[in-house]
Amino acid sequence: AQSVTQLGSHVSVSEGALVLLRCNYSSSVPPYLFWYVQYPNQGLQLLLKYTSAATLVKGINGFEAEFKKSETSFHLTKPSAHMSDAAEYFCAVSGAAGNKLTFGGGTRVLVKP
Amino acid sequence: NAGVTQTPKFQVLKTGQSMTLQCAQDMNHEYMSWYRQDPGMGLRLIHYSVGAGITDQGEVPNGYNVSRSTTEDFPLRLLSAAPSQTSVYFCASRELAGGRSYEQYFGPGTRLTVT
Repeated sequence: AQSVTQLGSHVSVSEGALVLLRCNYSSSVPPYLFWYVQYPNQGLQLLLKYTSAATLVKGINGFEAEFKKSETSFHLTKPSAHMSDAAEYFCAVSGAAGNKLTFGGGTRVLVKP
Repeated sequence: NAGVTQTPKFQVLKTGQSMTLQCAQDMNHEYMSWYRQDPGMGLRLIHYSVGAGITDQGEVPNGYNVSRSTTEDFPLRLLSAAPSQTSVYFCASRELAGGRSYEQYFGPGTRLTVT
């Protein structure tokens, strides 16, 4: 069984400030991890994914995430927030057979000018 | 490619009514799935399919039926709607070969309200 915990359901950052979204997972098999972004009234779009290659993964829109096995974490960061980053972000882990994607509860990001 | 399409975008049902949420993809993906999104709970898997004629239950299957007669289509049926099924429903698809490293592509969602 797998699970995902995202710390903080809401995060508020100033434009230009660091964005840090936390994700911790549990998995009975080596995990494949994903970050998705959801803009208002839209579906989910993949930001980046970890598939056991490099532990530092770069995604779209300047986001990156680091896989830390010892901490069972896959935190998402962006050095400088932009107004267009306001959205909800979901961390997800893929199950052993790949047929079940388990999502965290989501973190809504508000960017202040 | 249109990707993953869902209809309708919005729907209001009365308790006990039935309806079908439509999902189609034009990427020739073998794997398709349905999720529901509720505040603070992320997305939860309802049902999924790994090919035509093959379906299986996810985390929250009660009250929902699915079938997969073609690769392209994966409809979700609510036989007797209940207020607890008020949610936003997303359909997703991905390639099956290559396993769990492949990203899922999501449709735009259907917002369902059951009164």
